[in-house]
Amino acid sequence: DAGVIQSPRHEVTEMGQEVTLRCKPISGHDYLFWYRQTMMRGLELLIYFNNNVPIDDSGMPEDRFSAKMPNASFSTLKIQPSEPRDSAVYFCASSLRQGVTEAFFGQGTRLTVV
Amino acid sequence: GESVGLHLPTLSVQEGDNSIINCAYSNSASDYFIWYKQESGKGPQFIIDIRSNMDKRQGQRVTVLLNKTVKHLSLQIAATQPGDSAVYFCAETGGNEKLTFGTGTRLTIIP
Repeated sequence: DAGVIQSPRHEVTEMGQEVTLRCKPISGHDYLFWYRQTMMRGLELLIYFNNNVPIDDSGMPEDRFSAKMPNASFSTLKIQPSEPRDSAVYFCASSLRQGVTEAFFGQGTRLTVV
Repeated sequence: GESVGLHLPTLSVQEGDNSIINCAYSNSASDYFIWYKQESGKGPQFIIDIRSNMDKRQGQRVTVLLNKTVKHLSLQIAATQPGDSAVYFCAETGGNEKLTFGTGTRLTIIP
């Protein structure tokens, strides 16, 4: 397996534009997580899914953020409209089972909102 | 105003020496702990894990120690190599099942 695949690796966008980040988890993993990493806050869990169903989205900062998982092999994190303070590295991770096995991370998407 | 980032603890170790990275956690319900390594420009990478029913676990050149009494976790890296330079995170889960990360420690191996 190629591991967790995220796209794009880098995204530069203007404030107010819509941004969509994509993730393909490891095949067979039941859990998918979206994290955000910044110098100010470190690694923050935004939302996680179990079997394509969102379980906990309490980490999503605002209504401008939304995440979907239409099937077991694909998830998106959307920011609309984007703001400069959304600039961060966004990681997707997947695991077989939450809490008892490790999460495997993708390479991340570095988002810059200007 | 000036933004203030997280103050990452740093540790510098001579190549070949052993290093110990420490982590304190607060949730007494945590029952599974993981150490991750993050190199520049990459995602966190699993190193080793330990469950709460253990107090020590060893891997290749790495040992994790868990002291539940004082809620303390440590990662020992033996015979450090330049490739060990990275930021190391401890992560915990339990109770609410969320994997919560610490702020990280930057390890620099001096050649």
